[in-house]
Amino acid sequence: QVQLLESGGGVVQPGRSLRLTCEASRFNLREYDMHWVRQTPGGGPQWVAIISNDGRHKNYADFVRGRITVSRDNSNNRLYLEMDNLRVEDTALYHCARGSHVTYHDILSGYYFDLWGQGTQVTVS
Amino acid sequence: DIQMTQSPASLSASVGDTVTITCRTSQSISNFVNWYQRKPGKAPKLLIYAASSMQGGVPSRFSGGGSGTDFSLTIRGLQPDDFATYYCQQSNRAPFNFGQGTKVEIK
Repeated sequence: QVQLLESGGGVVQPGRSLRLTCEASRFNLREYDMHWVRQTPGGGPQWVAIISNDGRHKNYADFVRGRITVSRDNSNNRLYLEMDNLRVEDTALYHCARGSHVTYHDILSGYYFDLWGQGTQVTVS
Repeated sequence: DIQMTQSPASLSASVGDTVTITCRTSQSISNFVNWYQRKPGKAPKLLIYAASSMQGGVPSRFSGGGSGTDFSLTIRGLQPDDFATYYCQQSNRAPFNFGQGTKVEIK
């Protein structure tokens, strides 16, 4: 079935690095922008990063900018999140999500995350 | 950045009830608001996009409305499967912020 599966989470000490992977199944990753979103217990989701379908354009949330790099390998249907200099406050469940859009007369009229993975837990302690 | 103010934080309701969750954005963003459902241990699920368009496979008891800065998600005839946490999200521009969530609990 069409799905996203994250891996690579774990327990790390502050200041260390971690690389998360998101594997896409049953759809062509190269057709979509992709996102990373994280969530802490009791908090709302926090958008972390976006990478365009061709990997040329990236944007990050201010709270991770400079410490996180998003990349992708469309030939292998994989998305990555490289996290450096991890902080205790980065502890969260990290999801990858697929970005989709709808247009009306060629004008963007909606953008949304229509497919999510179950997430991989990152604990910084 | 566009901030999202979602309310209430939680509500208790019975099967068959109608509930409404609201979301206010800090700037006018046309109809660029989405709604998601989240259950423990499961991936978040898109319910409504572009304020009022229903994602495929979502039951018709879910509906969304609003434009500009004020948006709502209504569930008519709550079913046992609907007890979950719901989030709004703005998708006008990055950062694509979410609301803090509304937990819908069984009364």
